[in-house]
Amino acid sequence: GENVEQHPSTLSVQEGDSAVIKCTYSDSASNYFPWYKQELGKRPQLIIDIRSNVGEKKDQRIAVTLNKTAKHFSLHITETQPEDSAVYFCAAIRGGNKLVFGAGTILRVKS
Amino acid sequence: DAGITQSPRHKVTETGTPVTLRCHQTENHRYMYWYRQDPGHGLRLIHYSYGVKDTDKGEVSDGYSVSRSKTEDFLLTLESATSSQTSVYFCAISEYEVNEQFFGPGTRLTVL
Repeated sequence: GENVEQHPSTLSVQEGDSAVIKCTYSDSASNYFPWYKQELGKRPQLIIDIRSNVGEKKDQRIAVTLNKTAKHFSLHITETQPEDSAVYFCAAIRGGNKLVFGAGTILRVKS
Repeated sequence: DAGITQSPRHKVTETGTPVTLRCHQTENHRYMYWYRQDPGHGLRLIHYSYGVKDTDKGEVSDGYSVSRSKTEDFLLTLESATSSQTSVYFCAISEYEVNEQFFGPGTRLTVL
């Protein structure tokens, strides 16, 4: 089955800097890769997703890139702000299978 | 937030007792999921449903059972709770199989 590894487990950046979180997956047939943000005590919420027919997707300060050959995808946050502090989860799925999550990255933005 | 609620939101119980958690949705989504969240493990799928009375196991299904008799309700039962089942449980829904999942507010379960 699918296995998703996420790095780093914790990330501290200065406000205004960029943050990058990387995930690798094992099933080459996976075709949907969402990223969820979870604030302390809250539910996970989707912030961006990408499908396997696209190499990059942007939404304001957030972007996701996908490298199908290497089987990895990354979340990029530019101009980080204190409200970006949260736990971020990547995940991967293909049809007929179940969504598999990475272990999460704690992002701290220092002001 | 999508129309998804969980009850109870907090529960403390003793080892060996049965526990049922309820997930209720008003979105009429076909797919419903139960996850547990533990430090260092992210979100792990317990069971999921792809329609009324249609369910399947996830990666950590031992000790759990589920039922879905109506589109809007998905129940998770711990037949005999153990301390290893202390966790935060999230229900999620999605309209399509390979698509965004919307999460409920979570239930914090403590088994003493």
